[in-house]
Amino acid sequence: EVQLVQSGAEVKKPGESLRISCKGSGYSFTSYWISWVRQMPGKGLEWMGRIDPRDSYTNYSPSFQGHVTISADKSLSTAYLQWSSLKASDTAMYYCARVDTAMFIDYWGQGTLVTVSS
Amino acid sequence: EIVMTQSPAALSVSPGERATLSCRASQSVNTNLAWYQQKPGQAPRLLIYGASTRATGIPARFSGDGSGTEFTLTISSLQSEDFALYYCQQYSGWPPWTFGQGTKVEIK
Repeated sequence: EVQLVQSGAEVKKPGESLRISCKGSGYSFTSYWISWVRQMPGKGLEWMGRIDPRDSYTNYSPSFQGHVTISADKSLSTAYLQWSSLKASDTAMYYCARVDTAMFIDYWGQGTLVTVSS
Repeated sequence: EIVMTQSPAALSVSPGERATLSCRASQSVNTNLAWYQQKPGQAPRLLIYGASTRATGIPARFSGDGSGTEFTLTISSLQSEDFALYYCQQYSGWPPWTFGQGTKVEIK
């Protein structure tokens, strides 16, 4: 069974750094890209970027380029999303998702809620 | 960046009735279009990919149609568990891939 299990909820202060994780299981982790998707409170889905776990090649949406970093450790079957300096506007639910070879998202993680507040 | 526009923003439908949701792309995405369902407090779930192919385990009452810039998701006979948010997403060409803003299907 394909599973993407994300790390738990985080509460941080503005300016702090953060890395959240997404562990894949039940499939060959390096055979599928991982995407990250943001959902701000009460809002829709926003595609942030993706990584190829084989070589860690990434693409970012222009809206997120330079604000977050996506990485992966194939030895741990885990992808990461990180911030070096959080803002209150980063408060959102973040989902990781597996990208099928035909490029659509076929499986989603359960989400990680990030709250940034002073 | 391709902009996806969904309509209507909300749709009130009685159980057993048909619901038709629309999604328009700002430029052609061929059939590189997926539909997702999201219920409150849950992650999205894949319903349709390739504009018209149902994902594994998705009931036959869900159907997708369209190509190019115009797409529809039809739920032929709404069940209580179908009241949710629905998003379309294009995955044409190289990223960024983009979502529509969503359509909320509500009980009438």
